[in-house]
Amino acid sequence: AQKVTQAQTEISVVEKEDVTLDCVYETRDTTYYLFWYKQPPSGELVFLIRRNSFDEQNEISGRYSWNFQKSTSSFNFTITASQVVDSAVYFCALRDSGGYQKVTFGTGTKLQVIP
Amino acid sequence: NAGVTQTPKFRVLKTGQSMTLLCAQDMNHEYMYWYRQDPGMGLRLIHYSVGEGTTAKGEVPDGYNVSRLKKQNFLLGLESAAPSQTSVYFCASSHGQGWAGELFFGEGSRLTVL
Repeated sequence: AQKVTQAQTEISVVEKEDVTLDCVYETRDTTYYLFWYKQPPSGELVFLIRRNSFDEQNEISGRYSWNFQKSTSSFNFTITASQVVDSAVYFCALRDSGGYQKVTFGTGTKLQVIP
Repeated sequence: NAGVTQTPKFRVLKTGQSMTLLCAQDMNHEYMYWYRQDPGMGLRLIHYSVGEGTTAKGEVPDGYNVSRLKKQNFLLGLESAAPSQTSVYFCASSHGQGWAGELFFGEGSRLTVL
């Protein structure tokens, strides 16, 4: 069975601070896909990034960066120089590669950026 | 571009009543999912579908039924609503095998069971 753990329930930072959101996953599959989604206070779910299990390259997109480490089954998300607009709930998700392609989400981390 | 559309957006039910949530996607996606979101619980998978006429149970399927008679539609039914089913329900869709792409979500449906 697959599992996604986001141990940080809520994080508060002051604007311009860097913050890292942790995601640890469990799966028996050798091929799988990891995602991060953002849910702002308005409620919609916004896709941020996808990573394949066979691609361990880290990725940077503006102030966002992702660190994927298969050895520790982690896919952490860092926001550099946080802004108030980053305040949201962030979800990590795991998709298996079998026929049914079940997608499992973590419980989310609520990030509050204080001006 | 409609994407994924959920109806209704809001609904209040009394215990024991039945209702159906409709999810429609116009992206020709094979995979469709129903999740519920509750405070502190994240998104929990109820049922999902890998194609027309095929469905599978997720983590919390009890009390719900689904049908996928047409590729573009995925219906979630509550036969006898209970207060524990008060939640925000999200539908999502994605491409199939070989893509493993991201899920596209609807705006959510807020259901209250009294």
